[in-house]
Amino acid sequence: DQQVKQNSPSLSVQEGRISILNCDYTNSMFDYFLWYKKYPAEGPTFLISISSIKDKNEDGRFTVFLNKSAKHLSLHIVPSQPGDSAVYFCAARRYGKLTFGQGTILTVHP
Amino acid sequence: GAVVSQHPSRVICKSGTSVKIECRSLDFQATTMFWYRQFPKQSLMLMATSNEGSKATYEQGVEKDKFLINHASLTLSTLTVTSAHPEDSSFYICSARDNRRGETQYFGPGTRLLVL
Repeated sequence: DQQVKQNSPSLSVQEGRISILNCDYTNSMFDYFLWYKKYPAEGPTFLISISSIKDKNEDGRFTVFLNKSAKHLSLHIVPSQPGDSAVYFCAARRYGKLTFGQGTILTVHP
Repeated sequence: GAVVSQHPSRVICKSGTSVKIECRSLDFQATTMFWYRQFPKQSLMLMATSNEGSKATYEQGVEKDKFLINHASLTLSTLTVTSAHPEDSSFYICSARDNRRGETQYFGPGTRLLVL
């Protein structure tokens, strides 16, 4: 039972454009959502998070949007840079534990 | 800040041997650490939650006698894979929760285990 889903395995974007990464979840009891960036053979790096009581959080080029009624969150990166190329995981928290999506490979072309 | 280290980064062992992986929070204290496993092209799967000074809690389907967890101090948790077999080969990642930072989990760089 995949409670957190990232339905797009990959995304390709031109440098300078916006990258939009999507994530859906099924459990309405999740209280916190996070986005992580990961390179192969490395641990995930925390990017940005949002509480379930909010609908938007912004940090520099990264903005996370939460639509609770649709059980959907998205990460916007603008402008995208080649260094943003990595695997992006969304994660949802309940009782302090994280459940991860499958990840989306983002490639930003120069 | 919020640096988590893991050692070793890579280990190759023979089937039947035990392997210990260390996870350290370098600049903060972590009463709670987590151990994950990631198979190729799959997501991170939580194995267990490690609490300082108490027994770890394991996720369903994870054998506690095979994956021994010890959280002896506020900065160190260890995972020991006992009697390792080839199917235990995976990427093991720990995380530590810094309660000063809104309970965000910070991850270590991971340990690649290959059991021959």
